[in-house]
This record gives sequence, structure tokens and C-alpha cells, in this order.
Amino acid sequence: GAVVSQHPSWVICKSGTSVKIECRSLDFQATTMFWYRQFPKQSLMLMATSNEGSKATYEQGVEKDKFLINHASLTLSTLTVTSAHPEDSSFYICSVSGTSVYEQYFGPGTRLTVT
Amino acid sequence: QKEVEQNSGPLSVPEGAIASLNCTYSDRVSQSFFWYRQYSGKSPELIMSIYSNGDKEDGRFTAQLNKASQYVSLLIRDSQPSDSATYLCALQTSGNTPLVFGKGTRLSVIA
Repeated sequence: GAVVSQHPSWVICKSGTSVKIECRSLDFQATTMFWYRQFPKQSLMLMATSNEGSKATYEQGVEKDKFLINHASLTLSTLTVTSAHPEDSSFYICSVSGTSVYEQYFGPGTRLTVT
Repeated sequence: QKEVEQNSGPLSVPEGAIASLNCTYSDRVSQSFFWYRQYSGKSPELIMSIYSNGDKEDGRFTAQLNKASQYVSLLIRDSQPSDSATYLCALQTSGNTPLVFGKGTRLSVIA
């Protein structure tokens, strides 16, 4: 399967600041990347779908101006949480897929805590 | 609206037994089906994919798909305590589209 990394693995920030999370596909070209959020003991929630070189498609209820997604290359997508608040504290996970693979592979996740 | 239904569990089985996890779905055009395992505090890990009716075996895992009944299952033979996790069923309509996940079944293998 594909190898996906995320950085940082965990981050603590103060309310009102912005945090950038990186998702990297290490061993294949990810034409599509997905960003999920998961609160404790809840299901994965898809936030947005990102295709390389295109604007991300956000799910209903996800604020695109608050969660900025950039997918500038076939190996890197970033999620920036702007003006973070305590309710944004969650586990953020990316997944990748490409033209050479049907499956989606997840990164290890980033745990965000906003104080 | 695509829906994926799973029993939330917990499903408890003794070590060495067969664990049977089930999933039903509502969207008949779904083409691809996946089982992910998620340990507490970790991200999902793909363990099986299945695309056509029948059985697919990989080690101790067997996935079964019945598109007519809109049913997919995962059997884990010789269950081990390390198999204790939440198992997520997911489907996909076509390549590079978002997965639709069930809420997951929590499996507990008792030593």
C-alpha cells in the first residue's frame, strides 16, 4: 500500500492562531487527497476532497475560509486551520488515492488541541 | 443518499475463534468495498478491498461480497487480542471519489 505521512503528529495552539498540517504521499503520485476530522468516539467525517492543481471541494457545513486546503503537487496537500478555537480540537487525518491505485490510504493523523 | 450500516458492537469473541463482521449498504451503484481497522487513537488502516461478488482471502482475513443482497462481511480466523479494534466498512462509487464509511464495529478478542 501507499505510504502517507502527516506533520505534525500533534500540535497545541492558542485560540485565535492558525495551524498548518501537511500530508505527504511518499511513494506514489496522489491525484486526489481527502481530509477528514474525527472527534473522540465518533466516526470519521469527510471535510473536503482535493485534486492536484484544483480548488478543494468542501462538504456541507465545512467552512472553506476557515479550513484552507492547498494541493499544489502530486505529493503534498496542506490543511490550514485559521483562527482556531477550542471546538476545532480534533484528530485530523488525510487520505490519498491516485490513478494507479483504487484504494485510499490514510496518513497517521494530526491531533490538534486548541487552548 | 448512500448509507452504510454496521452493528456498533462491541462484538466479543474468545481468542482463537472466528470473528464475523457484517455490513449492509443502500446504494446499488457502489463498485468498490473496503474494510479498515482502526485502533483507538490511531488512523484507519486498510486491511481488505473487494470489488466482485464472492470471497477474497488474505491470510486470516476473508472478505465476502454479495451485491444482490447489498451485503459485505469480514471474517477473521484465529482471532487474536491484537485484533481488538474498530472495524470500518467503506464503499466507493468510482475511483478517486470519497469513501462512504459505516460507523464501525468494535471488536474485542478476549484472551
